[in-house]
Amino acid sequence: DQQVKQNSPSLSVQEGRISILNCDYTNSMFDYFLWYKKYPAEGPTFLISISSIKDKNEDGRFTVFLNKSAKHLSLHIVPSQPGDSAVYFCAAIDSGVIQGAQKLVFGQGTRLTINP
Amino acid sequence: KAGVTQTPRYLIKTRGQQVTLSCSPISGHRSVSWYQQTPGQGLQFLFEYFSETQRNKGNFPGRFSGRQFSNSRSEMNVSTLELGDSALYLCASSPWPGRKEQPQHFGDGTRLSIL
Repeated sequence: DQQVKQNSPSLSVQEGRISILNCDYTNSMFDYFLWYKKYPAEGPTFLISISSIKDKNEDGRFTVFLNKSAKHLSLHIVPSQPGDSAVYFCAAIDSGVIQGAQKLVFGQGTRLTINP
Repeated sequence: KAGVTQTPRYLIKTRGQQVTLSCSPISGHRSVSWYQQTPGQGLQFLFEYFSETQRNKGNFPGRFSGRQFSNSRSEMNVSTLELGDSALYLCASSPWPGRKEQPQHFGDGTRLSIL
């Protein structure tokens, strides 16, 4: 049962334009969300996160939006650069019944390609 | 500051064997988690350790086990290897469990291939 879903396996965007990556979740107990970027042969790198008490968080060119009622979040990258080409994973923290546990539940990833 | 270090980077084993993977967290990080990445299942949580204790476990068979040492270094072990265990195994560390604003930082993984 996929609790975090990234329905677009791939996305192609022109350099300088906005990239929008989407993520949906089903578990209403998730209260913290993260985006990671992954290059081939490397581990995921943390990008940006958002708590469920917020609806937006911004860090430079990256902004994450959270719509709790729709159980949907999105990552906006503006402007997109060739170095942004990577696989992007959406993740949610499932604290479960264990206080302070930080199990990450990942989506399947979206491969973003930035075209010059 | 050195990142999360995983050894070895690549490993080839045959069915029925066992394997041990190693992870050294970022200096000062005391919480270590392990994940399995496969093309079919994506990234899945294996287990989380803090203070040499397993705090949380994913939905994997008992063939998968781990431990953490007093210096926070961690190992995971897979016994009686199956073809389906071929995957990228990722280790992640964070300073302290439960602090969600301190994200987990990942190593580059160990690529395990089962023949």
